[in-house]
Amino acid sequence: AQSVTQLGSHVSVSEGALVLLRCNYSSSVPPYLFWYVQYPNQGLQLLLKYTSAATLVKGINGFEAEFKKSETSFHLTKPSAHMSDAAEYFCAVSTSGTYKYIFGTGTRLKVLA
Amino acid sequence: NAGVTQTPKFRVLKTGQSMTLLCAQDMNHEYMYWYRQDPGMGLRLIHYSVGEGTTAKGEVPDGYNVSRLKKQNFLLGLESAAPSQTSVYFCASSLRDRAEAFFGQGTRLTVV
Repeated sequence: AQSVTQLGSHVSVSEGALVLLRCNYSSSVPPYLFWYVQYPNQGLQLLLKYTSAATLVKGINGFEAEFKKSETSFHLTKPSAHMSDAAEYFCAVSTSGTYKYIFGTGTRLKVLA
Repeated sequence: NAGVTQTPKFRVLKTGQSMTLLCAQDMNHEYMYWYRQDPGMGLRLIHYSVGEGTTAKGEVPDGYNVSRLKKQNFLLGLESAAPSQTSVYFCASSLRDRAEAFFGQGTRLTVV
């Protein structure tokens, strides 16, 4: 069975500071991993995805994530937070043949001026 | 390109009433999904479909039914609404297994 754990339901950072959102996964087979962002009253948009091609994945809006198999982690980072990054972020896992995505509980990012 | 469109966007139901949520996608995607989003619980999969005429249960299927008579449409039905079904419902679609999922804007349902 697959699962995703996101540590920290709320994270606050100052504008210009490093953003680090944590995601750990559990999967008995090689996973595909995703980060999605949800702005208020909107659906989810894909930020980036890991498909086993490269362990460091770059996404939109300056975000990136690194797949670490030994730590079963896929943390999301951005060097410098912007006010427009305030949103809720979801990590998700999918594996071959399951035909579905399992989401974490989300992390709400607040950016302080 | 509309992407994934959900109808309606808001609805208030009385306990015991029934309703159908419609999801339409214009990207010729094979896979479609219904999720519900509740505070602190993330998105939980209700039902999904891997092609026209197919459906399967997700994590929280009780109290819901689905149909996929046409490839572009995925309907979610509530036969007898309960307050516990108050939630935001999202439809999503993807081209193939493990591809990017595209989401609709959501339906906010309140059952009183």
